[in-house]
Amino acid sequence: SAVISQKPSRDICQRGTSLTIQCQVDSQVTMMFWYRQQPGQSLTLIATANQGSEATYESGFVIDKFPISRPNLTFSTLTVSNMSPEDSSIYLCSASTGPSTDTQYFGPGTRLTVL
Amino acid sequence: GQQVMQIPQYQHVQEGEDFTTYCNSSTTLSNIQWYKQRPGGHPVFLIQLVKSGEVKKQKRLTFQFGEAKKNSSLHITATQTTDVGTYFCAGHLGTYKYIFGTGTRLKVLA
Repeated sequence: SAVISQKPSRDICQRGTSLTIQCQVDSQVTMMFWYRQQPGQSLTLIATANQGSEATYESGFVIDKFPISRPNLTFSTLTVSNMSPEDSSIYLCSASTGPSTDTQYFGPGTRLTVL
Repeated sequence: GQQVMQIPQYQHVQEGEDFTTYCNSSTTLSNIQWYKQRPGGHPVFLIQLVKSGEVKKQKRLTFQFGEAKKNSSLHITATQTTDVGTYFCAGHLGTYKYIFGTGTRLKVLA
């Protein structure tokens, strides 16, 4: 299994600013993902964080808006850039310790409010 | 694009009643996972189904994967207040990622 922590747990930001969310795993993992979840809604995959290379983004998400880093096998960051109120959401980091079809362990999430 | 739909969207049951949520994919899945998210919490893995027609049980929870590997169900027998939360299926399409279903929110009335 894997235990995942995220920082910050919540933040209130002004329009036009950027926020970087950190995700730390307590063990080395193969895959790390970033999701967005509106309250009461399902999870939408933003991107897969690849260690040592550029992230793989899903349709509708671009690197300029959501730059992602993964410098090693236990850590990743997601930046939400030039924020607007539409970016208000919960951002979740997840990790998988096995092959690509293995269990995903989720962090507690970051609740972002953009004014 | 690929979609994974769940029904019902909401379900309120009296404690002790049974509950079932259904998950339907627009495409064939290589496997499917189920997660539970408590109110204010994050998704927690419950189980993975891989084989066509597979049935797995965890205490009062029974999970089934359809013969065509395009649908799945989760059945809870004799619900308890601890079962409250949103249940998501997540379909694996053969790449490295999963598509989460729309979710079913369960409320259990004591």
